[in-house]
Amino acid sequence: AQSVTQLGSHVSVSEGALVLLRCNYSSSVPPYLFWYVQYPNQGLQLLLKYTTGATLVKGINGFEAEFKKSETSFHLTKPSAHMSDAAEYFCAVSEGGSYIPTFGRGTSLIVHP
Amino acid sequence: KAGVTQTPRYLIKTRGQQVTLSCSPISGHRSVSWYQQTPGQGLQFLFEYFSETQRNKGNFPGRFSGRQFSNSRSEMNVSTLELGDSALYLCASSPGQGQNTEAFFGQGTRLTVV
Repeated sequence: AQSVTQLGSHVSVSEGALVLLRCNYSSSVPPYLFWYVQYPNQGLQLLLKYTTGATLVKGINGFEAEFKKSETSFHLTKPSAHMSDAAEYFCAVSEGGSYIPTFGRGTSLIVHP
Repeated sequence: KAGVTQTPRYLIKTRGQQVTLSCSPISGHRSVSWYQQTPGQGLQFLFEYFSETQRNKGNFPGRFSGRQFSNSRSEMNVSTLELGDSALYLCASSPGQGQNTEAFFGQGTRLTVV
């Protein structure tokens, strides 16, 4: 069975600081991994995804994530936070062949001026 | 290409009533999934339809049901509404086959049960 753990329900950073949102997963087969972002009263928008190949994945809005199989992690980073990055971020995993991703509980990113 | 469209965006219903939510997927997508999002439980999977058949189902009571039409549009129905059904209901579409499992989400329907 697949599962996702996002460490920290809230992360607070200053504008211009590094953003690090943590995600650990469990999966019995090679996983597909996703990060989604959700703005208030909106749906989820895909930031980036890992399926196979290069373990460092670049996404939209300057975000990137690295798949580390040995650590079963897929942490999301951005070198410099912007006020517009304030949102809810969800990590998700789907096992190969499954079209139903399992989502983490989400991390609310707060950006201070 | 138009995105996933959910209607209505907001609904207020009374306890005991029933409600129907609609989702139009991205053109060419044959899979439609429904999720319930609440502050306490996060994103919970309701069910997935592929080519008019329910392919996967989450752990929700029978009051929650859905269907998919031949044009891939999907509806979700909740009968005998309870206060706890208040949530943001999200629909997601995907091709449903092949290697691409990325889900594209609609903006959601905010259901308030009073």
